[in-house]
Amino acid sequence: NAGVMQNPRHLVRRRGQEARLRCSPMKGHSHVYWYRQLPEEGLKFMVYLQKENIIDESGMPKERFSAEFPKEGPSILRIQQVVRGDSAAYFCASSQLWGQGLNEQFFGPGTRLTVL
Amino acid sequence: EDQVTQSPEALRLQEGESSSLNCSYTVSGLRGLFWYRQDPGKGPEFLFTLYSAGEEKEKERLKATLTKKESFLHITAPKPEDSATYLCAVQAPSGNTPLVFGKGTRLSVIA
Repeated sequence: NAGVMQNPRHLVRRRGQEARLRCSPMKGHSHVYWYRQLPEEGLKFMVYLQKENIIDESGMPKERFSAEFPKEGPSILRIQQVVRGDSAAYFCASSQLWGQGLNEQFFGPGTRLTVL
Repeated sequence: EDQVTQSPEALRLQEGESSSLNCSYTVSGLRGLFWYRQDPGKGPEFLFTLYSAGEEKEKERLKATLTKKESFLHITAPKPEDSATYLCAVQAPSGNTPLVFGKGTRLSVIA
C-alpha cells in the first residue's frame, strides 16, 4: 500500500544549475498536484496535472519552472537556472476522481531543495 | 480570492489540557474543508474532510467541526505525541481543484 513517493528527498544545487523533482502518485490516482512550502509560510499551490495534461498552472512562475506528467512514469517538476529563492520544500499530492469522498489529496514526504 | 486564516499561530498545552484550533475561511462556494497534520521534515498527513455546515468527524482525541464561516479542531486530553503543526485547507467546488492552505497552528503538548 505505497503512498505518494517523491525523490530525491534532499537536493542541493548551485545557482544556475537545474533541479528535477520526481513524484509517483498513489496507485489508482490520476491527479497530481505540486505545492511549495517556504519557511514560516503555508503550502502554496503551483501546478495541477493529469496524465499528459496540465490542468492548472496558475501558481507556477512563468519562467524557469515547468511540469509534466507523462503517460508512463512519474510526474516531474523541473526548475532551470535555480536561484537561492527557490530553496524550499516541494510537495507532491495525488487524488482520485472527482466526487465526494474521492477528492482528498494525499501528500508525499517532499523534496527539500537547497540552492547554494 | 479564497483565503484561510488559522489561529492561534502557536499553542502550548499541558498533557491532558483540552483546547481548540480555529480555521476561518472565505471561499466562493465550499466543496470541502480539509485538516492535515504535519510533523517536522515530513509531508502533510490527511486527517479529515468536512463538506457541509454542521458536519462533525472524530478520530481518537481529535474532533473536527464545520460552520459556514469556520472550522474547529478540538483536541481532547492531548498527549505529547499530538505535538505537530495542524493545517487547514479549503477547496472550491469546480472539480478536483487545488487546495488553499492556512499557515497552520503549531501545537506543543508538554508532559
